[in-house]
Amino acid sequence: NAGVTQTPKFRVLKTGQSMTLLCAQDMNHEYMYWYRQDPGMGLRLIHYSVGEGTTAKGEVPDGYNVSRLKKQNFLLGLESAAPSQTSVYFCASSLPGAQGETQYFGPGTRLLVL
Amino acid sequence: GQSLEQPSEVTAVEGAIVQINCTYQTSGFYGLSWYQQHDGGAPTFLSYNALDGLEETGRFSSFLSRSDSYGYLLLQELQMKDSASYFCAVRERGGFKTIFGAGTRLFVKA
Repeated sequence: NAGVTQTPKFRVLKTGQSMTLLCAQDMNHEYMYWYRQDPGMGLRLIHYSVGEGTTAKGEVPDGYNVSRLKKQNFLLGLESAAPSQTSVYFCASSLPGAQGETQYFGPGTRLLVL
Repeated sequence: GQSLEQPSEVTAVEGAIVQINCTYQTSGFYGLSWYQQHDGGAPTFLSYNALDGLEETGRFSSFLSRSDSYGYLLLQELQMKDSASYFCAVRERGGFKTIFGAGTRLFVKA
């Protein structure tokens, strides 16, 4: 049982390049989330999904897109990377309802945009 | 909007007890959660308070008072491995968004 996994672990991009971050979970969770974490700012929600084929915007969605084609996978895309998107990105998953208070996080992807 | 405030840093001695406070402003939420994050690692769930009062899980306890818009995480018998960042979080009522505090960095000294 791997839990939540993220690919890649680390990436360097040039401004304007695009990339996709992959998140996979094997716990059959309905809900999945993408966060970014910057120094001194805690975790901020980018986008989330409450089920296969559904996505919604979080606190800081600009510059990102997501897709949830399969229940176990949640993809985060950067179409044209900017230095302001340098951050650590965490994916998380949870059960629905009150059980959703417990979120399980992946190991993170460290992204540097030059 | 919703916001949570925590102290940025707390220092304590090994074997001691430390309390990390979290005050919040929110129109409605299900409960207060706490997460631990070691340097370079992922956040891991510690505890959740759906109702007012104290929840105990081993050396860790968490408290919630909705009337005071306040909660805290209590760590007892501190160990060096408890040095980490601790985040409080709430999920807005009727929604799916979870808001995290900026985190409290705990330093445990020998």
